[in-house]
Amino acid sequence: KQEVTQIPAALSVPEGENLVLNCSFTDSAIYNLQWFRQDPGKGLTSLLLIQSSQREQTSGRLNASLDKSSGRSTLYIAASQPGDSATYLCAVNFGNEKLTFGTGTRLTIIP
Amino acid sequence: EAQVTQNPRYLITVTGKKLTVTCSQNMNHEYMSWYRQDPGLGLRQIYYSMNVEVTDKGDVPEGYKVSRKEKRNFPLILESPSPNQTSLYFCASSFLGTRTDTQYFGPGTRLTVL
Repeated sequence: KQEVTQIPAALSVPEGENLVLNCSFTDSAIYNLQWFRQDPGKGLTSLLLIQSSQREQTSGRLNASLDKSSGRSTLYIAASQPGDSATYLCAVNFGNEKLTFGTGTRLTIIP
Repeated sequence: EAQVTQNPRYLITVTGKKLTVTCSQNMNHEYMSWYRQDPGLGLRQIYYSMNVEVTDKGDVPEGYKVSRKEKRNFPLILESPSPNQTSLYFCASSFLGTRTDTQYFGPGTRLTVL
């Protein structure tokens, strides 16, 4: 069964720290992996999309890596800010016409 | 502004009363889909559409219908809602689909069925 797991479910860190969010998936034959941010009442916002042929993608303070052989992706957030507080979702395309989502990591940045 | 819109944003209804949740995108996307989000289960796909008049089932299609008569609209229909359909619903779209493209999501519709 194709599954996506995100651990931990919640994380609190002081403002200014660098942090890493983890995502693991059960099948290495993926097409792509996407990281989203979910804010209450505002839906999902796409942060980064990594195609299967890529190892990483960067956008501002965010860097996402992909290691298909080990079934892992990480989202690195540099110099965290209170505005980074949100739930972060990892989603994988396993070759069908849908995304398979993890249950997310709820991130709180403490001022 | 490029966006996916959903209406209504919040809805409380009773068992068996037919309802429609609308989804519209202004980006000329061919691919559209519906997901539901439940605590501990993540987002699960209900239906998707590759283009006008082309729809297919996702992982949890029971109790739902969709139609795609125009490129921009993809309504979700609950003919006889039941309490187990209480959930947060998201519509998403992209140019070509999930294998290649970034997905754009609507703001969500919170549905409560009593």
